Amino acid sequence: EVQLVQSGAEVKKPGESLKISCKGSGYSFTTYWIGWVRQMPGKGLEWMGIISPGDSDTRYSPSFEGQVTITADKSISTAYLQWNSLKDSDTAMYYCARPRPGQWLIDYWGQGTLVTVSS
Amino acid sequence: QSALTQAPSASGSPGQSVTISCTGSSSDVGGYNYVSWYQQHPGKAPKLIIYEVTKRPSGVPDRFSGSKSGNTASLTVSGLQAEDEADYSCSSYAGSNNLVFGGGTKLTVL
Repeated sequence: EVQLVQSGAEVKKPGESLKISCKGSGYSFTTYWIGWVRQMPGKGLEWMGIISPGDSDTRYSPSFEGQVTITADKSISTAYLQWNSLKDSDTAMYYCARPRPGQWLIDYWGQGTLVTVSS
Repeated sequence: QSALTQAPSASGSPGQSVTISCTGSSSDVGGYNYVSWYQQHPGKAPKLIIYEVTKRPSGVPDRFSGSKSGNTASLTVSGLQAEDEADYSCSSYAGSNNLVFGGGTKLTVL
């Protein structure tokens, strides 16, 4: 069974750093790209970017380029989303997602990680 | 790369049909047949209900249907049921291994 299991909720202060994770199981981790999606409170889904765990080829949505870093460690089948300096506006639910190759649909989602940034 | 445009809300009575639109550009919706629709209930992860404009995954009722004309895709929910009350978001491939989502439409069953 394909599963994407994300790390738990985080509460941070502005300016702090953070790295959240998404562990894939039940499939060949290096075969499928993994993406990240932001959902701010009461708002819609926003595509942040995607990584190929096999070779770490990474593509960012223009809105998120330079704001976050997406990485992956294929040895432990885990993708990461990282911030160097959080802002209040980073408060959101973050989902990892696995698009089906060549069809650009997302049939597997993580359960979401709630990040709260508040002084 | 701008978000796809969806109306913030839609509503219908049980048994009626409702259509939700998703407008993009020739760089996304109009340029590719990789439009998907997702249903999201409060506190839950999104669930795929339509892909490649018109296709339904196994297990999704045929009350849900999709279409596209030019730069606008549409989701129609026929025979509305109470459990259809949820947020609906469209997405489209936008080139260079990137997706773009719509802002979401909250569907209320009256």
